[in-house]
Amino acid sequence: GEDVEQSLFLSVREGDSSVINCTYTDSSSTYLYWYKQEPGAGLQLLTYIFSNMDMKQDQRLTVLLNKKDKHLSLRIADTQTGDSAIYFCAITDSSYKLIFGSGTRLLVRP
Amino acid sequence: DAMVIQNPRYQVTQFGKPVTLSCSQTLNHNVMYWYQQKSSQAPKLLFHYYDKDFNNEADTPDNFQSRRPNTSFCFLDIRSPGLGDAAMYLCATSRDPGVSNQPQHFGDGTRLSIL
Repeated sequence: GEDVEQSLFLSVREGDSSVINCTYTDSSSTYLYWYKQEPGAGLQLLTYIFSNMDMKQDQRLTVLLNKKDKHLSLRIADTQTGDSAIYFCAITDSSYKLIFGSGTRLLVRP
Repeated sequence: DAMVIQNPRYQVTQFGKPVTLSCSQTLNHNVMYWYQQKSSQAPKLLFHYYDKDFNNEADTPDNFQSRRPNTSFCFLDIRSPGLGDAAMYLCATSRDPGVSNQPQHFGDGTRLSIL
């Protein structure tokens, strides 16, 4: 079955850039997503990228997609303390269900 | 404005006592999903409704059921909650996922505790 993997933890200083990485096994997903989850809350759709693109920029967020290596990354520029959360990478399977990675906990140090 | 609304935010029930969690949406999406999320894990899909068609995941326990009386509302019923059912329950909605990009939109979840 499909598998999505992420590193579990990332710690950065406020003002630095954060890069959260994700790898996946199934390349049939038309869109690939990043969700943010703050403590005690639901998942917030941050951004997504179409599978025939290799980069998408949205304000402080940059998504890079390397289809050959099946690698997706999310870069957050000028990381703020409010960016501290868990970030989930997600793809869709052949029946359009979301397959999530295990989530990366981002800690932003003052 | 909240578009996927889950009530209550926190629910406490007793072991074995039936409980119902509710979800409503103002997006007029035809698909509604229920996920279970345990601490430090990714959400796990329990089932979804495509319009009135119910689609159960193969590994969802029989203890979990769902109702969708109309487009806007969907309920998660846990018939006899066990200690292992304590979790965050997330509702999500989307338009027809087979048509272009239809991301899922999540509510804030209901945290269920079992005494």
